[in-house]
Amino acid sequence: DPKIIQKPKYLVAVTGSEKILICEQYLGHNAMYWYRQSAKKPLEFMFSYSYQKLMDNQTASSRFQPQSSKKNHLDLQITALKPDDSATYFCASSQEWGRNSGNTLYFGEGSRLIVV
Amino acid sequence: AQRVTQVQPTGSSQWGEEVTLDCSYETSEYFYRIFWYRQLFSGEMVFLIYQPSFDTQNQRSGRYSVVFQKSFKSISLVISASQPEDSGTYFCALSELITNTGKLTFGDGTVLTVKP
Repeated sequence: DPKIIQKPKYLVAVTGSEKILICEQYLGHNAMYWYRQSAKKPLEFMFSYSYQKLMDNQTASSRFQPQSSKKNHLDLQITALKPDDSATYFCASSQEWGRNSGNTLYFGEGSRLIVV
Repeated sequence: AQRVTQVQPTGSSQWGEEVTLDCSYETSEYFYRIFWYRQLFSGEMVFLIYQPSFDTQNQRSGRYSVVFQKSFKSISLVISASQPEDSGTYFCALSELITNTGKLTFGDGTVLTVKP
């Protein structure tokens, strides 16, 4: 059974619309992350959260907003969608966030977003 | 700045052969970890093994092991007795423990095909 659940798995959206990607982890981890994988590119770090607090944001656009309603939830809201936002978005988690932690990241199966 | 390079875009082997996938990286930090992940054809990212920079011993996990050449900033993933189920895209990723906590920088990946 997957321990990191992402919904939806596939999503087609219209340019200019808004979508929310859902992520829940059942690993008991305290740190969660979002990564993006565009076509023919490696995974790129977007955000990291620890105990529901934003630790790092390396996404230039404010159109991407993480939302953490519970410790094991980290959703990603994307507004004013553009075709360039088409990618697979991966949620990940690790036991802790921090330089002394065993921060092995475990990934969900991804949400593939296509913006038309 | 951190960077990860995987110069082999593709690789192949026959069932039962040992496979070596190469990775090089750039970092100015002393403390870091190198991770290997496999991306299944479904898109799922699976953690395989990691090597801490401060450990001179090559790590091993089941059929996976690494050859860590710290002075050359290079690390290879070795898969023993490869099987067709090992086919997929293999990513090397760098985690710097001081300046970029919680962030993985990925290489472009190597697509491995293991023939029956």
